[in-house]
Amino acid sequence: GDSVTQMEGPVTLSEEAFLTINCTYTATGYPSLFWYVQYPGEGLQLLLKATKADDKGSNKGFEATYRKETTSFHLEKGSVQVSDSAVYFCALSWGKLQFGAGTQVVVTP
Amino acid sequence: NAGVTQTPKFQVLKTGQSMTLQCAQDMNHEYMSWYRQDPGMGLRLIHYSVGAGITDQGEVPNGYNVSRSTTEDFPLRLLSAAPSQTSVYFCASSYSGTGGGVPEKLFFGSGTQLSVL
Repeated sequence: GDSVTQMEGPVTLSEEAFLTINCTYTATGYPSLFWYVQYPGEGLQLLLKATKADDKGSNKGFEATYRKETTSFHLEKGSVQVSDSAVYFCALSWGKLQFGAGTQVVVTP
Repeated sequence: NAGVTQTPKFQVLKTGQSMTLQCAQDMNHEYMSWYRQDPGMGLRLIHYSVGAGITDQGEVPNGYNVSRSTTEDFPLRLLSAAPSQTSVYFCASSYSGTGGGVPEKLFFGSGTQLSVL
């Protein structure tokens, strides 16, 4: 069945460092891909999305490109801030919305 | 805007007890759903509804009941709580997806942390 695999955390970074969170997917069709973010004590919220191959989603300095050839949707940010500390979920939508296990990111001053 | 409101935020139950987790949204969303979040497993869909009077099972429905009598409310009932139901529960809502399919942008409540002893 359809599934999403993302790198395990926690990922610990210093402020202004470069962040990459890997996400790969398995799907029988052509899903839409998403990154959701969960800040401490809150529910998830949509960060960005891409609906077809080679699309790039971007928001709040984060970017992810839909790579059909590698079935990937890696999340990147060039310079993280302490306020980016959160759990990040990769997800796909093809018949139903399927979430990955989440990656905790901790940014230290 | 209140968005999606879940109550209670925390709950401790004894094995065998029943309870209802409340979820209400004020955005006139057709689609509402319940997820549970467990360490290392991400979010798993329990039940969902595409409109008042319509509900369906998700990935892990056993031990849970739902009903949707109004557009605004989507309560989740635990009939006889078990330790395996210890988890964080999230309610989420959205406008329905294109053609009535799965919506993409979900709006989440802040969660209910449930412990079953």
